Amino acid sequence: NAGVTQTPKFRVLKTGQSMTLLCAQDMNHEYMYWYRQDPGMGLRLIHYSVGEGTTAKGEVPDGYNVSRLKKQNFLLGLESAAPSQTSVYFCASRKLAGDIYEQYFGPGTRLTVT
Amino acid sequence: AQTVTQSQPEMSVQEAETVTLSCTYDTSESDYYLFWYKQPPSRQMILVIRQEAYKQQNATENRFSVNFQKAAKSFSLKISDSQLGDAAMYFCAYRIARSSNTGKLIFGQGTTLQVKP
Repeated sequence: NAGVTQTPKFRVLKTGQSMTLLCAQDMNHEYMYWYRQDPGMGLRLIHYSVGEGTTAKGEVPDGYNVSRLKKQNFLLGLESAAPSQTSVYFCASRKLAGDIYEQYFGPGTRLTVT
Repeated sequence: AQTVTQSQPEMSVQEAETVTLSCTYDTSESDYYLFWYKQPPSRQMILVIRQEAYKQQNATENRFSVNFQKAAKSFSLKISDSQLGDAAMYFCAYRIARSSNTGKLIFGQGTTLQVKP
């Protein structure tokens, strides 16, 4: 049981390049989330998904797109990277039933856009 | 809109001493959950402790305890007998408890805790 995994762990992009971050969970969780972490701002929600085939915008969705084609995977895409997207990205997942369940976080991806 | 505020960017404590990290939040909801997460240098987010708003009793997990003041919208974390391994960034987080809610967390800005030997 690997929990939540993220690929890659580090990436450097040039402005205007595109990339996809992959999040995978093996806990059969319905809910999945993408957050970004910036100094002095905590973690902020980018997009989330309440089930396979569904996605929704979070607090800071501009410049990102997501897809949830399979229940266990949640992809975060940057179509044209900007320096403002330099950040650490975290994926998380949670069970559907019952609000007492916590979110499980992946190890994070450090992205630098030059 | 719900907000979470951690007003202490950095704190330090001597090993074996006690330290308290502050967190305040703003919400119009009556039922919600509050969490403290620890983020060590490895970046992994680790759940330290959680509190259900409908429970009056403060949550405790070994050396970690909270002081939950619902009326004041305050949720502080006390770490007793601090250890070097407690050095990390700590985040306070909030989540609405309604079953229709999507479960998204709202985080504070974080407090970096230094433990001095």
